[in-house]
Amino acid sequence: GAGVSQTPSNKVTEKGKYVELRCDPISGHTALYWYRQSLGQGPEFLIYFQGTGAADDSGLPNDRFFAVRPEGSVSTLKIQRTERGDSAVYLCASSFGTGQAEAFFGQGTRLTVV
Amino acid sequence: ELKVEQNPLFLSMQEGKNYTIYCNYSTTSDRLYWYRQDPGKSLESLFVLLSNGAVKQEGRLMASLDTKARLSTLHITAAVHDLSATYFCAGTGTALIFGKGTTLSVSS
Repeated sequence: GAGVSQTPSNKVTEKGKYVELRCDPISGHTALYWYRQSLGQGPEFLIYFQGTGAADDSGLPNDRFFAVRPEGSVSTLKIQRTERGDSAVYLCASSFGTGQAEAFFGQGTRLTVV
Repeated sequence: ELKVEQNPLFLSMQEGKNYTIYCNYSTTSDRLYWYRQDPGKSLESLFVLLSNGAVKQEGRLMASLDTKARLSTLHITAAVHDLSATYFCAGTGTALIFGKGTTLSVSS
């Protein structure tokens, strides 16, 4: 596709529920990143994939968060037992090559946990 | 672990005047990026600075990089309202590590 696509654009869920956020990167981009951005803050790194494998998952805040990229393209960020503090905009980015290449961001998914 | 600090966090600018945003980073970063974010929107790439002494300019914005001082600056020349947005710098660890952002507001 022309750019990084994220779905849904908005998600409202009840506390304790499970959610999945999807990212469709730019075609041919091998690297994919997930970030979380809270109001008034910079994007906070969560996890980075190179191909199908997670090259760095050090930013995942706890074991309720998990991400997969089974075929090296689309990625899904999964959050179990959501908490109100998980409310944020979740941004996905992709780049061609290593983690130091220029990253292009999607429009984000705004997650609200009520 | 790379840490990135920006200052100021907020900048109220008058149209026509010049301003500078500073970005300090804590450890070696091979590249330095500047992004722009408009309210409710995603991040738009502005500049990629690849080496010490690199300078890039686009319109009223000019970015520079001093890797020895671990400092990048974003200079705004003759501010106009269209530049009102939040600007982030990001260094490179395994992935991009962002500062907290500088929110610019331009008034006439």
